[in-house]
Amino acid sequence: DTAVSQTPKYLVTQMGNDKSIKCEQNLGHDTMYWYKQDSKKFLKIMFSYNNKELIINETVPNRFSPKSPDKAHLNLHINSLELGDSAVYFCASSQVGADEQFFGPGTRLTVL
Amino acid sequence: GESVGLHLPTLSVQEGDNSIINCAYSNSASDYFIWYKQESGKGPQFIIDIRSNMDKRQGQRVTVLLNKTVKHLSLQIAATQPGDSAVYFCAENMGGTASKLTFGTGTRLQVTL
Repeated sequence: DTAVSQTPKYLVTQMGNDKSIKCEQNLGHDTMYWYKQDSKKFLKIMFSYNNKELIINETVPNRFSPKSPDKAHLNLHINSLELGDSAVYFCASSQVGADEQFFGPGTRLTVL
Repeated sequence: GESVGLHLPTLSVQEGDNSIINCAYSNSASDYFIWYKQESGKGPQFIIDIRSNMDKRQGQRVTVLLNKTVKHLSLQIAATQPGDSAVYFCAENMGGTASKLTFGTGTRLQVTL
């Protein structure tokens, strides 16, 4: 199926650890995004990559580092995890020049 | 700063009735608006969108209305069904080369039988 997929679906880890979340889209889109959704369901953009180049960085702590090995993948690496990083992280993609974004199923990160 | 907000955090509607979910936006430069539906444990799913040069757009059972004068957006769902129960988000995009959606706080729609 054509879609945006993320792994893992759930991630439980201790404070101070480093973890990665992977995202892949097979929609042929050029632009990919990472969003954070907090416990109150508020969705906020973190990063946007267009064809492997960073184009949006919304003042996210530098413990968060996105990596785009190719335009179909955008991974999110988080160093020194903190309690406040607990949230659901969504990957999304869109075609360049188009506004509609297609979202993945989300990764629920719990930091203990 | 600029923001997109919703008037009602939770809306309860009887099955078969029409639902109206409202959204206020403050960025007059936004030229694109979109509604997403998010079911429990899933990612946001596109419902309908509208550009700022339109004031109404219809889809299947859904209608989006845009009032630029008062910076108001609404989503109307006709004949609401149990499967419509979800959190609904409006989002705006100021345009430009990057698609940057700013989301509202969300409204939970509960459909009662």
